[in-house]
Amino acid sequence: GAVVSQHPSRVICKSGTSVKIECRSLDFQATTMFWYRQFPKQSLMLMATSNEGSKATYEQGVEKDKFLINHASLTLSTLTVTSAHPEDSSFYICSARETEYSNQPQHFGDGTRLSIL
Amino acid sequence: AQTVTQSQPEMSVQEAETVTLSCTYDTSESDYYLFWYKQPPSRQMILVIRQEAYKQQNATENRFSVNFQKAAKSFSLKISDSQLGDAAMYFCAYSGFGNEKLTFGTGTRLTIIP
Repeated sequence: GAVVSQHPSRVICKSGTSVKIECRSLDFQATTMFWYRQFPKQSLMLMATSNEGSKATYEQGVEKDKFLINHASLTLSTLTVTSAHPEDSSFYICSARETEYSNQPQHFGDGTRLSIL
Repeated sequence: AQTVTQSQPEMSVQEAETVTLSCTYDTSESDYYLFWYKQPPSRQMILVIRQEAYKQQNATENRFSVNFQKAAKSFSLKISDSQLGDAAMYFCAYSGFGNEKLTFGTGTRLTIIP
């Protein structure tokens, strides 16, 4: 149980393109979803937290107009990297939690490797 | 702000032996949660074990167990009978009580020597 599907797993696109990444909870309803960015050989950096039906909460230093997050249903959240540039190349990981309470673990997707040429 | 420190960037252990990964954290809260996640080369984050701070008993999951020392703010992971499939990056993580985000440590890369 508690499977999170993230799609696509790999994206290569030209500079200036907007890229959408989907995160779905397959067998549970995710009240809260998280988006992380991970640079090579580094830890996960939280970008934003989204609760279903409300606006995402962005971490300090993360541009909300650059990284658009939508959590329209209890099973789907999307991250759109708008007008992507080479510096946006990274590994993006989503996670989902069944409740809004921290005692429940986050379940992670497989991640998306984004490469901007 | 809470911080999580993993002082061992890399560790190695002989197959079938036992290894302990260390983690310390800093918080002023009394109720919180601690987690160990594993990230193999496939990059998927997998929950290994979790501990509620209000529980004195150390959590165990098969070959994985923790040594939770609340006063010392220490949360180490012990892997017994290490297997080749245990090779991965291991991240210690902290979450406050309520609707809180995870704060991750910098990770420990574990290598299993056949």
